[in-house]
Amino acid sequence: QSALTQPRSASGSLGQSVTISCTGTDDDIGGYDYVSWYQQYPGKAPQLIIYDINKRPSGVPARFSGSKSGTTASLTVSGLQADDEAAYFCSSYAGSQIERFGGGTKLTVL
Amino acid sequence: EVLLVQSGGEVKKPGESLKISCKGSGYTFSGYWVAWVRQVPGKGLESLGIIYPGDSDTRYSPSFRGQVTISVDKSTNTAYLQWTKLKASDTAIYYCARRGYEKLAVLDRWGQGTQVTVSS
Repeated sequence: QSALTQPRSASGSLGQSVTISCTGTDDDIGGYDYVSWYQQYPGKAPQLIIYDINKRPSGVPARFSGSKSGTTASLTVSGLQADDEAAYFCSSYAGSQIERFGGGTKLTVL
Repeated sequence: EVLLVQSGGEVKKPGESLKISCKGSGYTFSGYWVAWVRQVPGKGLESLGIIYPGDSDTRYSPSFRGQVTISVDKSTNTAYLQWTKLKASDTAIYYCARRGYEKLAVLDRWGQGTQVTVSS
């Protein structure tokens, strides 16, 4: 099984919005409404920021939002702030209690 | 506070065995799946497998089935990941993570990671 496909990098200016895509197949993103997104700072463990396509855990700002269309999921970060600069990983349920991850996108805030 | 505390970094030689641990606290350990995730520096995340401490139900990602063994000790709230014969390609950071209650593909708490280095 292949990893989900994400762009290796993305960038946006302070205050602007940026959208990161995550492309899978009918065996993962297209087959289930269980897409999550994680934020990871260098040297730290990933942290959940979006689950079930578009839900935010307590404490995650509303500037982070998620969506899905067909076999592609997206994460949008609005009102970019300096501390949004991090790596972002998508994941999708892929059956049999297993999740599949994307390769990660490094977000640079200009 | 929910915590997952992993064992320390390891340096091993190819062919050696290894078992790393992940101790949960601050929640009902037996009621939540615990996943193991690999990260090669500069690369993406990979799911190795997942275990349900309540009944030790264990599932492996196809790429890792037969390569690693996931186990749990309910009496100590500890999950384990082990190798019988390490390879250089096993060099990575390994994370354990708790799956959200009755959720799928939602890892809501993560351990701090264990660096495993395999080198001759």
